[in-house]
Amino acid sequence: SQELEQSPQSLIVQEGKNLTINCTSSKTLYGLYWYKQKYGEGLIFLMMLQKGGEEKSHEKITAKLDEKKQQSSLHITASQPSHAGIYLCGAPRGGGSNYKLTFGKGTLLTVNP
Amino acid sequence: NAGVTQTPKFRILKIGQSMTLQCTQDMNHNYMYWYRQDPGMGLKLIYYSVGAGITDKGEVPNGYNVSRSTTEDFPLRLELAAPSQTSVYFCATIRASGNTIYFGEGSWLTVV
Repeated sequence: SQELEQSPQSLIVQEGKNLTINCTSSKTLYGLYWYKQKYGEGLIFLMMLQKGGEEKSHEKITAKLDEKKQQSSLHITASQPSHAGIYLCGAPRGGGSNYKLTFGKGTLLTVNP
Repeated sequence: NAGVTQTPKFRILKIGQSMTLQCTQDMNHNYMYWYRQDPGMGLKLIYYSVGAGITDKGEVPNGYNVSRSTTEDFPLRLELAAPSQTSVYFCATIRASGNTIYFGEGSWLTVV
C-alpha cells in the first residue's frame, strides 16, 4: 500500500493562479521532504519540514507540516510556467531515523501561460 | 549532484541480459537508496542500505539485487532484464541523522 498519498495526481492551472498540493501519510510523520523535478532530470530540493506546525517558504512556494493530520501541504502563489514539473513528497520511516525513505507518486503540475 | 556518482547515464539492454548500475558516494554516508521512476510518476524504492553489509527490500525489489560491501558503493544488479524494467533509476544517500538527501543524476535504462 502507498504510504504517502499525493493529491491531486495532476493539476493544470493558468499562470498567476494559486495552487495547493497535498501529501498525506498513512503512518506517523517524522519529517517530510518536498522535491521538484522535470521528468528525466535531477531532483531539486525545495524544503524539509521536521516539526509539526512548521512552515517554510522559498520564493513563492510555502510548505507546512500538520503532524496531527499526518499531512503536508505545498502552496504556490501566483504560479509561473517555471513552476511546472513533478512535485514529490518524501518521508523517512522508522522511529525517527532516516533509514527508509519513501516518496509519493508525485503531482504533475502544468502552468499555462 | 556533488558526491553521488551514477553510471552509466544511458543504457539499452536486450530482454534477458544482465547489467549493473553503479552508485558511488564520497560523503561517508551510511544510508543509500535505489529508486526507479516511470514516466510521469514518483519514485519507487527498490532497495536500501543502512550501512556496509546491510541491505533491505523496498517497495519494488523483484527483478533486482544489491550489495553493500563498502560504505561508498551500492551497485544495483538486473539479472534478467525485462521491458517492465525500462525506467530512470536514481541513487540517493543521506547521512545518519541527516536532513539532506543527495541524489545521483539518474540512469536511463531501456529494455528492448
